[in-house]
Amino acid sequence: DTGVSQDPRHKITKRGQNVTFRCDPISEHNRLYWYRQTLGQGPEFLTYFQNEAQLEKSRLLSDRFSAERPKGSFSTLEIQRTEQGDSAMYLCASRPDRAISEAFFGQGTRLTVV
Amino acid sequence: GESVGLHLPTLSVQEGDNSIINCAYSNSASDYFIWYKQESGKGPQFIIDIRSNMDKRQGQRVTVLLNKTVKHLSLQIAATQPGDSAVYFCAESPGTYKYIFGTGTRLKVLA
Repeated sequence: DTGVSQDPRHKITKRGQNVTFRCDPISEHNRLYWYRQTLGQGPEFLTYFQNEAQLEKSRLLSDRFSAERPKGSFSTLEIQRTEQGDSAMYLCASRPDRAISEAFFGQGTRLTVV
Repeated sequence: GESVGLHLPTLSVQEGDNSIINCAYSNSASDYFIWYKQESGKGPQFIIDIRSNMDKRQGQRVTVLLNKTVKHLSLQIAATQPGDSAVYFCAESPGTYKYIFGTGTRLKVLA
């Protein structure tokens, strides 16, 4: 499968615990995005990487959230001290380094904080 | 602020009929628009895109129309099939690298 891969697909955690999600983009794609989606809403932008550089973080991304892409390949999104409001689908997307192109999304990680 | 909105949250269409899903955008600087389809429990799937220098683009059974004068985007699906049932999102790229999504329209195909 050469698409965007996310792991795990589902995560249930207790409030206050830390969680980490992984995203493997399409191999030749330099640009990588994290989005969050709640039920009935469109994806909301969280952060963006070009290669290993994190170029933008949304105001939605509190200090409890951190994302990395250390070697410009896979990326991780960590949420510390999870809260019930963090429950959502976390989507990763990647795209090639062309000026205009679509982003390819993974299947997402569904986080439930209990 | 920037926003991408959809006129109808749910659209029910008889199988075999044509579907039209509408979207309004507010950022005049947006130069690229995309329609995505999202099935339950899955990530958004690219359907078709259009650049701001075009008015119309056709794909297989789908057509996107762009009216920059009124900042309106539409997705037309010909001969709607049960497999078309999903939530459809429009997204705009306002001259930057990121995409701004609307809240989505649910398309229900009636047998």
